[in-house]
Amino acid sequence: QSALTQPASVSGSPGQSITISCTGTNSDIGNYNYVSWYQHHPGKVPKVVIFDVSKRPSGISDRFSGSKSGNTASLTISGLQAEDEADYYCNSYTTSNTWMFGGGTKLTV
Amino acid sequence: QLQLQESGPGLVKPSETLSLTCSVSGGSISSSSFYWGWIRQPPGKGLEWVGNMFYGGTNYYNPSLKSRITISGDTSTNQFSLQLGSVTAADTAMYYCVRRRGDSSHVDYWGQGTLVTVSS
Repeated sequence: QSALTQPASVSGSPGQSITISCTGTNSDIGNYNYVSWYQHHPGKVPKVVIFDVSKRPSGISDRFSGSKSGNTASLTISGLQAEDEADYYCNSYTTSNTWMFGGGTKLTV
Repeated sequence: QLQLQESGPGLVKPSETLSLTCSVSGGSISSSSFYWGWIRQPPGKGLEWVGNMFYGGTNYYNPSLKSRITISGDTSTNQFSLQLGSVTAADTAMYYCVRRRGDSSHVDYWGQGTLVTVSS
């Protein structure tokens, strides 16, 4: 079971927008809308920021948005703030009844 | 408010079995709406899905761990546990117990995590 593919790092200036991609296959991202994204500040517990490809949990800023095209899901953060600096992981359900994470992307603001 | 708390040894010897327990409060592990499971993060590496249990139903495990892993639940104590056999240094990680929603498949609650080191 190979991990979903994410860029190792992305960076942006405060106020800018960034997009993190997450590429899978027809057996995971391409077959289900069960893609979620997690924000992880080192030393803290990960937190979901997007689920079901594009839905935001209560309490998550509308600066976070998600989308999907084919086998690739994307997380966009607009109006970057210093507090957004963290590691971000995508996660998808698969046809094998398993779940798979991406390798993680370090966002530097 | 749901709370999850991991407990277990912080140090396990190579070839032995890693055993962790997750105590759940504010919700029941027998609920038909949720999966209960484990996610781990080796030092300096990314998150890795370990496995899920659905009480009274089927368990699902990471294929790379499937031969060594068991996740089970006890409704009398409202706890679920992870057993990972024949551990090596590669199993050294922060282990999180989690609740995953059955309707959307995302993890909505995490324990604080417990660091398990495999070393002699």
